Amino acid sequence: AQTVTQSQPEMSVQEAETVTLSCTYDTSESDYYLFWYKQPPSRQMILVIRQEAYKQQNATENRFSVNFQKAAKSFSLKISDSQLGDAAMYFCAYSGGSSNTGKLIFGQGTTLQVKP
Amino acid sequence: DAGITQSPRHKVTETGTPVTLRCHQTENHRYMYWYRQDPGHGLRLIHYSYGVKDTDKGEVSDGYSVSRSKTEDFLLTLESATSSQTSVYFCAISAPSADNEQFFGPGTRLTVL
Repeated sequence: AQTVTQSQPEMSVQEAETVTLSCTYDTSESDYYLFWYKQPPSRQMILVIRQEAYKQQNATENRFSVNFQKAAKSFSLKISDSQLGDAAMYFCAYSGGSSNTGKLIFGQGTTLQVKP
Repeated sequence: DAGITQSPRHKVTETGTPVTLRCHQTENHRYMYWYRQDPGHGLRLIHYSYGVKDTDKGEVSDGYSVSRSKTEDFLLTLESATSSQTSVYFCAISAPSADNEQFFGPGTRLTVL
């Protein structure tokens, strides 16, 4: 069975600085998707960035980028120029494989604090 | 924003009572999902649906049932609520060709006393 692990329950960063959130996963599949979701205090789940496993190039969305290491099964999120609005819980998630029902498997989450 | 609503948004109930949560979408997406969110566990899949009347179990399905009689509605039922089912429940939708991206509803906070 696939698993997703986020080993950092809490992280903090100074405004305008860079922070990296870690995520590792386990799967025997070769075709899958990885996601980072943001959950602010409003509780709404917001997609931050998506990575397709067959693409070697790391995904980037404005200040958000990932470091995807397929062999190591690692998928970290880098937030550059951190802003107060980035404070939230971040979830790493896995989906796909041969069944491709779209089910998401989530990590435990990392709470990010941004200090002014 | 994807058109997903959940009702009710908050509910307090007593142990042993039945509870039904409703998810409604206006996107005509084929797949719908119910997750629960608990501290230290992230979100975990309860049940999902891949079409009208087509459903399957997720990771934490014990004590829950679902029904989907129309494309737009996916119901989650707790037949006899227990305190361990106190949680925040999220509905999500996705389309098969959308790179597995899921769109989430606003969540329902359920408290079982």
